[in-house]
Amino acid sequence: DTAVSQTPKYLVTQMGNDKSIKCEQNLGHDTMYWYKQDSKKFLKIMFSYNNKELIINETVPNRFSPKSPDKAHLNLHINSLELGDSAVYFCASSSSQQGDRVEQYFGPGTRLTVT
Amino acid sequence: AQKVTQAQTEISVVEKEDVTLDCVYETRDTTYYLFWYKQPPSGELVFLIRRNSFDEQNEISGRYSWNFQKSTSSFNFTITASQVVDSAVYFCALRRYSTLTFGKGTMLLVSP
Repeated sequence: DTAVSQTPKYLVTQMGNDKSIKCEQNLGHDTMYWYKQDSKKFLKIMFSYNNKELIINETVPNRFSPKSPDKAHLNLHINSLELGDSAVYFCASSSSQQGDRVEQYFGPGTRLTVT
Repeated sequence: AQKVTQAQTEISVVEKEDVTLDCVYETRDTTYYLFWYKQPPSGELVFLIRRNSFDEQNEISGRYSWNFQKSTSSFNFTITASQVVDSAVYFCALRRYSTLTFGKGTMLLVSP
């Protein structure tokens, strides 16, 4: 059983388009995240949601809009895609009940290529 | 501000060699958690270990061991008798509240 799943796994699109990446977790966690991994493998947090509420929004362009319909889902919508948006996007989840102790579980990643 | 430094960008070893991956962190917090993740060529991120700032005991899990030294702000990871399947990028990370700050990763290449 997949703990954290993302769709699609690969996404190729043209500049200016709008696209969404979906994330679902079946771990019963209440906190979900989006990370961006650039071409140099550097991982940086973009957003964090706890119980469907945004709690972290790192300096991300407002073309990126996360949406959490429920605790098990956190989708990422990107408007007006730019070449620099090309990266691997990881969704992750964790439980807030044990504070910082609990590790984050990551999805398989979505490789976004903007041409 | 929090910072994690993995000074080794790439390490190449031959199978069965021991290898240590370095991680140095900076934080003003007295309570924090450190993690190691593995990213194999297939791309997923796999959790390896968690360590809190109050527990400086070293940990061993099979061929993996971790050395946490608060005095030097280091959390190093050693693989004993490396295998080809250990080839991956390894990330050290520091967690405060909901934020995971990652190092830039060390790519480990194990050749037969």
